[in-house]
Amino acid sequence: QVQLVESGGGVVQPGASHSLSCAASGFAFAYTAMHWVRQAPGKGLEWVAVISSDGYNTYYADSVKGRFIISRDNSNNIVFLQMNSLRVEDTAVYLCAKGTSHYYYGLDVWGQGTTVTVSS
Amino acid sequence: QSPLTQPASVSGSPGQSITISCIATSSDLGHYNYFSWCQHHPGKAPKLLIYDDTKRPSGVSVRFSASYSGSTASLTISGLQSEDEADYYCSSFTDANVWVFGGGTKLTVL
Repeated sequence: QVQLVESGGGVVQPGASHSLSCAASGFAFAYTAMHWVRQAPGKGLEWVAVISSDGYNTYYADSVKGRFIISRDNSNNIVFLQMNSLRVEDTAVYLCAKGTSHYYYGLDVWGQGTTVTVSS
Repeated sequence: QSPLTQPASVSGSPGQSITISCIATSSDLGHYNYFSWCQHHPGKAPKLLIYDDTKRPSGVSVRFSASYSGSTASLTISGLQSEDEADYYCSSFTDANVWVFGGGTKLTVL
């Protein structure tokens, strides 16, 4: 059974850095692209970033490009999201998601998310 | 504002069918490919309903179907049930190597 469990949420100040983790199990993690998605309060889902199975390729939404870094540890089945220069508008529930077997098909299983609040 | 436009809300009575559209507007992201649809009950993990425009993952009810024509993807839910009340999102892979979600549609089962 596929499981994705996010952790690391909390309250952070604007301009600060913060890191999230997502522990994965139940599938061939090292052969699967992984995504981060977020949902701001009262808003819809927003795709944030993807990392290829080998970790060599990463892509980001324009809203976070240059500030967020996605990475992974295939030995321990964990994907990370390093968030820098945080803004109030980054306040959201952050969900990690597993990529489909065909890379371009996108996301097929999501976690329940961890909440990040950016506030002074 | 998302380049994938969905109606903010739709509603239907139990047993009826509804269709949610997802219209791709032009953007710097290029073309939109491989549309997917997911169901999201607030506070729970989203669930994939459709991938590659029209394909249903195993375990997803046949009541959920999808189509794609031109620049519009559509999700149809037939035989509406109370548990279908949720938010629905389309998403697509773009020529810019990023994914985008539509703004989401809130389905109310009357």
